[in-house]
Amino acid sequence: LAKTTQPISMDSYEGQEVNITCSHNNIATNDYITWYQQFPSQGPRFIIQGYKTKVTNEVASLFIPADRKSSTLSLPRVSLSDTAVYYCLVGPPRSGGYQKVTFGTGTKLQVIP
Amino acid sequence: GEEVAQTPKHLVRGEGQKAKLYCAPIKGHSYVFWYQQVLKNEFKFLISFQNENVFDETGMPKERFSAKCLPNSPCSLEIQATKLEDSAVYFCASSQRENSYEQYFGPGTRLTVT
Repeated sequence: LAKTTQPISMDSYEGQEVNITCSHNNIATNDYITWYQQFPSQGPRFIIQGYKTKVTNEVASLFIPADRKSSTLSLPRVSLSDTAVYYCLVGPPRSGGYQKVTFGTGTKLQVIP
Repeated sequence: GEEVAQTPKHLVRGEGQKAKLYCAPIKGHSYVFWYQQVLKNEFKFLISFQNENVFDETGMPKERFSAKCLPNSPCSLEIQATKLEDSAVYFCASSQRENSYEQYFGPGTRLTVT
């Protein structure tokens, strides 16, 4: 899997939009970009996945520039319940059981009232 | 079910004792994964299954760890003789998609070895 670099931590006030950037300079042509969220004492939760340009779902948006060497997870109007660790991972689609996820250290987002 | 279930929530074992963890994947999901989270954010892949078949066990310390996914039974991860460094949260995840990193994780089992 391509190595990823994320900020260790971020603070944001409630109601603000939060953008978390992940660098992946060595991304390969067939790699996808996936983001997970982990609340304290819980298992990680899949948020969003993309290959290029922009992907949006009910939780977040994922922006991927043309060179794909970085990606930005955007959380609109965060609330206290968005306080969590956010993981970026980059890797090729694999068949079946080879699709193991390998998390880096993640970004700890603290939402402040 | 609609969520991955893991039991027990907490497990305490003395060094050298056996530990057995269970996981019920989401119904209809063919792929099951076990991960170990030792430090706060550090995840280590252990093993994956496609139905009852081991797919990838490159992360397993085979001398003490074993895992099974038998039909009509919860999957299990067993540590024969626990060591202090086995203290961790063990997560099970399941997936139904062939080529995706979209996995559904259980709440984890916290194993403490004393």
